[in-house]
Amino acid sequence: EIVLTQSPATLSLSPGERATLSCRASQSFSGYLAWYQQKPGQAPRLLIFDTFNRATGVPARFSGSGSGTDFTLTISGLEPEDFAVYYCHQRSIWPITFGGGTKVEIK
Amino acid sequence: QVQLVQSGTEVKKPGASVKVSCKASGYTFTGNGIHWVRQAPGQGPEWMGWINAGNGETQYSQKFHGRLTITRDTSASTSYMELSSLRSEDTALYYCARDSRYTTNYYFDYWGQGASVSVSS
Repeated sequence: EIVLTQSPATLSLSPGERATLSCRASQSFSGYLAWYQQKPGQAPRLLIFDTFNRATGVPARFSGSGSGTDFTLTISGLEPEDFAVYYCHQRSIWPITFGGGTKVEIK
Repeated sequence: QVQLVQSGTEVKKPGASVKVSCKASGYTFTGNGIHWVRQAPGQGPEWMGWINAGNGETQYSQKFHGRLTITRDTSASTSYMELSSLRSEDTALYYCARDSRYTTNYYFDYWGQGASVSVSS
C-alpha cells in the first residue's frame, strides 16, 4: 500500500499569500496524483488530476507539480474561499489511498 | 445534473450491521463505477471498495475483507454498502463517489452528501 504523507498538517496564511502543500509517497509510482479540496460539512471536490491538470471550473491560481514520490499543490494568491483542507490521492497502485490532509487556515 | 443522494444517519451497537444506500441521477448509472469512501472525525478519507455498476464486479480494500459488501440495483440506479460486525472504530461519515475517466485515468468527480454511522454501546 502506498502511504501518502502530507505536510505541513496546518498552514496559517493571509489572503493573497502563496500556499505550498506537499505530498510525499512511501514508494515511487509512475501513475498520477490528484488533489481534493474539502470544506466543513462538504464532500471532497476534485481540484487537480493527473498531477498537473485542473478540473473543470478550478481557478488558474491552483497548480500541481511533481513526480515519483514528491508532489506539490500550489495556490498562488489565496482567496477567502480557498481556506479549507486539501488531500492528495493516488490510485496507480491499489489499494487506493489518500493523504492525511493539510489544513489551510486564515492567519 | 449529476446527483448522488445517500440514506440518512445510522446509530448502531457493536457487532451489528449497517447498510447505506446511494441513489444516482442525472447520468446513465451503468456507465460509471461507484466507490465507497469513509472519513472518521478529523481524519483523511479512507477508500473501502467499489462496484462496476455495469457488470456488478466488485473490489474491496483488504482492510474490510469479509465485513464489506457492495451491491447495486440497476433498476433503481442505486448502490448499497453493507458493513458487518461493526466496532467503535467504524464510526465515520460514509461517502459514495462516482468514478469518471479523465484522460487515461479515473478519478472521483461527484460525491454523495455522506451518511453518518455511529457505533456505540
